[in-house]
Amino acid sequence: DAGVTQSPTHLIKTRGQQVTLRCSPKSGHDTVSWYQQALGQGPQFIFQYYEEEERQRGNFPDRFSGHQFPNYSSELNVNALLLGDSALYLCASSFGAGETQYFGPGTRLLVL
Amino acid sequence: AQTVTQSQPEMSVQEAETVTLSCTYDTSENNYYLFWYKQPPSRQMILVIRQEAYKQQNATENRFSVNFQKAAKSFSLKISDSQLGDTAMYFCAFIYSGNTPLVFGKGTRLSVIA
Repeated sequence: DAGVTQSPTHLIKTRGQQVTLRCSPKSGHDTVSWYQQALGQGPQFIFQYYEEEERQRGNFPDRFSGHQFPNYSSELNVNALLLGDSALYLCASSFGAGETQYFGPGTRLLVL
Repeated sequence: AQTVTQSQPEMSVQEAETVTLSCTYDTSENNYYLFWYKQPPSRQMILVIRQEAYKQQNATENRFSVNFQKAAKSFSLKISDSQLGDTAMYFCAFIYSGNTPLVFGKGTRLSVIA
């Protein structure tokens, strides 16, 4: 039973560039949530996708956008990268309205 | 808005001993769920234990157990027979329902010493 997978594992970008991170949910899960974790902090909620629609959104600017595909996988896009976007980006999956979320290994983004 | 507070930034424990990590939360909701996640240096966030607020019985998973005090809005994690592999950041988290976000505390860094 495959768990949550994310790609790539590490990424280095420069300010102003755009980045796309990818997530495949745990088998049987249909809901994907994205979190940003700055160094030494707890994860902060970015948004959640269910049935290919953004269901909830945290306090992040419009530079952060996402998508969910019919196979439930998801992408997180960040435009016009800032130094402050450097963080670990975590994807979590769950089933329907289930409250238990399982996390992937994360993508570490460094913006120079 | 829900908030989660972990008042112990760092803790250490000798191998085979017992340690308790504290967590308090604030919510006006009556039905919700609480979690402890472990994040080792590999950075993978691993679910340790969950507690439903409507259940009075404290959750237990092998060496991990919780002390859930709903009236006090307290949710502590007890690790028995600590092992070197328990060394990690531990995050307490709250969720109201499946279509609301997980709210995390700032974490407690636990070091298990041989």
